[in-house]
Amino acid sequence: AQSVTQLGSHVSVSEGALVLLRCNYSSSVPPYLFWYVQYPNQGLQLLLKYTTGATLVKGINGFEAEFKKSETSFHLTKPSAHMSDAAEYFCAVKTGANSKLTFGKGITLSVRP
Amino acid sequence: KAGVTQTPRYLIKTRGQQVTLSCSPISGHRSVSWYQQTPGQGLQFLFEYFSETQRNKGNFPGRFSGRQFSNSRSEMNVSTLELGDSALYLCASSLTGGRNNEQFFGPGTRLTVL
Repeated sequence: AQSVTQLGSHVSVSEGALVLLRCNYSSSVPPYLFWYVQYPNQGLQLLLKYTTGATLVKGINGFEAEFKKSETSFHLTKPSAHMSDAAEYFCAVKTGANSKLTFGKGITLSVRP
Repeated sequence: KAGVTQTPRYLIKTRGQQVTLSCSPISGHRSVSWYQQTPGQGLQFLFEYFSETQRNKGNFPGRFSGRQFSNSRSEMNVSTLELGDSALYLCASSLTGGRNNEQFFGPGTRLTVL
């Protein structure tokens, strides 16, 4: 079975500071990994994904994540936070041939002026 | 290209009633998946439909059901509503539902059960 762990439920950073949101996964087969963002009263928007190949993946809005198999991690980073980054972020994994996504609990990112 | 649409956006029901939610996928997408989002349990997979057939199912009671029509539009139904069914129900569509396909999410239907 696959699972995703996002430690902590809330992260607060100052505008311009580094954003680091942690994600660890458990999977018995090579995973496909995703980060989604959810703004209030909206659905989920894909930020980036790792399938195969390059382990450092770049996404939209300046976010990137690195797949580290030895650490079973897929942490999300952004060098400089912007007020518009305030939202909830979900890490997810797919391992089967189908479309089922298994999500972490999510982390709320707050950005202080 | 229009995105995934879900209707209605908000719904209030009372315990014991039933409810039907609708999802229209992106044109050309044949796979539709449903997820339940609650503060306590987070995002949980309900089921996936492809070509009018349920292809994958999550761990939810039989009160939760769905179907897909020939135009790929999907509905989910919850019978005998319970307070715990209050949630945001998200629909996602993809081309074929395969592992490589990106899922595009709709804005969700917020269901409140009183």
